[in-house]
Amino acid sequence: NAGVTQTPKFQVLKTGQSMTLQCAQDMNHNSMYWYRQDPGMGLRLIYYSASEGTTDKGEVPNGYNVSRLNKREFSLRLESAAPSQTSVYFCASSEPGALSSYNEQFFGPGTRLTVL
Amino acid sequence: GQQLNQSPQSMFIQEGEDVSMNCTSSSIFNTWLWYKQDPGEGPVLLIALYKAGELTSNGRLTAQFGITRKDSFLNISASIPSDVGIYFCAGRTSGTYKYIFGTGTRLKVLA
Repeated sequence: NAGVTQTPKFQVLKTGQSMTLQCAQDMNHNSMYWYRQDPGMGLRLIYYSASEGTTDKGEVPNGYNVSRLNKREFSLRLESAAPSQTSVYFCASSEPGALSSYNEQFFGPGTRLTVL
Repeated sequence: GQQLNQSPQSMFIQEGEDVSMNCTSSSIFNTWLWYKQDPGEGPVLLIALYKAGELTSNGRLTAQFGITRKDSFLNISASIPSDVGIYFCAGRTSGTYKYIFGTGTRLKVLA
C-alpha cells in the first residue's frame, strides 16, 4: 500500500497562475483533508471531505477550491495564485469518518509550493 | 480560534537522555494525537489517545491524555539520533471534524 500520495512534490508559480494539487489514497478511507503548513503556524485545515460527494470549508479556505473526484482522490485548486499561498500543502485521509470518536489521520508527503 | 500551546518549542538533548514535551489547550478535547515529522516529509502518526488519563506506549514513546482533558504529554525514553525531527500534537473535540495542531517541538539530539 502506498498510503496517501501527492503530486507534484514541488511547484513554482507566478502570481495569477492556476494549478491543481492532486491527492490519492489507497486505504479505502471515507474522509480526506487538505492542510497548509507555514513556519511557526502548525497545520491549518483548508478544506475537508467527510465522504465522497461532500466537501466543507476549514479554517483557511479563501483562494482555494476542492473536488472530491471519487473515494480515492481529493484535489485542491488554486485559481489565481498569490504569494501568500506559498506554503507546504499536505493531504490527509482518515477512517472511520470525520465525526467518529476514533479518527486517526494519515498524511501524504506534501507539496512544496512557491508563488513568486 | 482555539489554540494549542506546545512546549518546548525546541530542545537539544544528549543521546540516551529522556525527553518530555506537552500540549495545553484552552478547550476540552476528547482525542489527542501525536505525530513526528522528518524534514521534507509528511507527519507520521505515533500515538492516539481517546480517554482522559489514558497512558499509551509505542516503543520508547509514551503519551498521556491529561485528566483535565485540556492537556497531553509525550515522553521519549533513551533518545537516539533518529529521534531528530518535529513532534506535533493535535487535539479534537467530540462531534467535530477538525483537529487543532500545536506549533511543534523541534528535537535535536547530540550524539
